[in-house]
Amino acid sequence: GEDVEQSLFLSVREGDSSVINCTYTDSSSTYLYWYKQEPGAGLQLLTYIFSNMDMKQDQRLTVLLNKKDKHLSLRIADTQTGDSAIYFCAESMSSSYKLIFGSGTRLLVRP
Amino acid sequence: DAGVTQSPTHLIKTRGQQVTLRCSPKSGHDTVSWYQQALGQGPQFIFQYYEEEERQRGNFPDRFSGHQFPNYSSELNVNALLLGDSALYLCASTGGGRNSPLHFGNGTRLTVT
Repeated sequence: GEDVEQSLFLSVREGDSSVINCTYTDSSSTYLYWYKQEPGAGLQLLTYIFSNMDMKQDQRLTVLLNKKDKHLSLRIADTQTGDSAIYFCAESMSSSYKLIFGSGTRLLVRP
Repeated sequence: DAGVTQSPTHLIKTRGQQVTLRCSPKSGHDTVSWYQQALGQGPQFIFQYYEEEERQRGNFPDRFSGHQFPNYSSELNVNALLLGDSALYLCASTGGGRNSPLHFGNGTRLTVT
């Protein structure tokens, strides 16, 4: 089946690392994506990982993929107040043109 | 280089009316997808257009229809509006194949009263 789940809320102190988690159910996922949505705005693509990779690093962002457990995480190093937003995990599959999104994790960064 | 642009940004309609939303894809992109994002939810796939044809459709009723023009821009039409159609409608474009990442516009906020 098609289902992507995320925890609803995460609060961290400025300068700490944030880890946002996501689980998905479809083993035929090809790519997994992280998007950021700020209030009143659309979705901004942060990073994405091919399903045969374990890890991808891009500046302050690190994506970890555990394909066996169907678990994806996004780590943000040195979290800043500007990182406060909603983060969406999404998966694509080889048999489809659509992305399947989770419900989003609201990240609050406290000064 | 302009990204994905959508118009209008906000719209208020009455139940039973019809609405048309517009989208221009990012330069160099030829494929346009539409998503509906209800408050507090993730985006849900409505349909995707490529070469002026609907290539795939999500679980939305026939009241939702679309069009893609030769310049790759697209319209989303919703007929017989219901209160439940109130949402943020997001357009996304891509180019270069099935798994090329989607680039989203800022959306159109539709309120149905």
